[in-house]
Amino acid sequence: AQTVTQSQPEMSVQEAETVTLSCTYDTSESDYYLFWYKQPPSRQMILVIRQEAYKQQNATENRFSVNFQKAAKSFSLKISDSQLGDAAMYFCAYTTSGTYKYIFGTGTRLKVLA
Amino acid sequence: DTGVSQDPRHKITKRGQNVTFRCDPISEHNRLYWYRQTLGQGPEFLTYFQNEAQLEKSRLLSDRFSAERPKGSFSTLEIQRTEQGDSAMYLCASSLGRGKISYEQYFGPGTRLTVT
Repeated sequence: AQTVTQSQPEMSVQEAETVTLSCTYDTSESDYYLFWYKQPPSRQMILVIRQEAYKQQNATENRFSVNFQKAAKSFSLKISDSQLGDAAMYFCAYTTSGTYKYIFGTGTRLKVLA
Repeated sequence: DTGVSQDPRHKITKRGQNVTFRCDPISEHNRLYWYRQTLGQGPEFLTYFQNEAQLEKSRLLSDRFSAERPKGSFSTLEIQRTEQGDSAMYLCASSLGRGKISYEQYFGPGTRLTVT
């Protein structure tokens, strides 16, 4: 069965610093997609970044980038120049080609300290 | 189009009552998903539709749960004879269903259900 593990229930980062959130997954599939979603308090989930498994290049979106290690089944999110607005729950999610449903990790709560 | 909307945002009900939630997806999206999220956990998949066809249901979706998507537009999720264990946030999401971004899901704000 496919699983997604986020081993850091909570992380803190100083404003303007860099933080890395970890995610590992287990799958026997070769064609899959990985996502990071942000869920601010009492607000809806927003897609932060996406990575296709067939792409070797790590995805980047402005201050957000991933370190995708396919062999290690690791998919970490790096947030550079952290801002107060980055404070939220961050969920790692996985889906395979053709199934469409997401499997989520348990989330990491990110606190940004002023 | 402002995104996925859900109604109501909050629902408090007594154990044993029936409740129905509505989700309106992004208009051009043909796939619609329901998830359940309990406190401190990630969302868990319940079911999904492609147009009006319900293509997959999780084992989490007991006989008391039913979902519909008539005409492939909005969807409803009904829970009959609610139990305290049904208390959770019910999330709806939609996706385009074609092209490179077909796997990106866009989430609504959720309906928080409290069963007393």
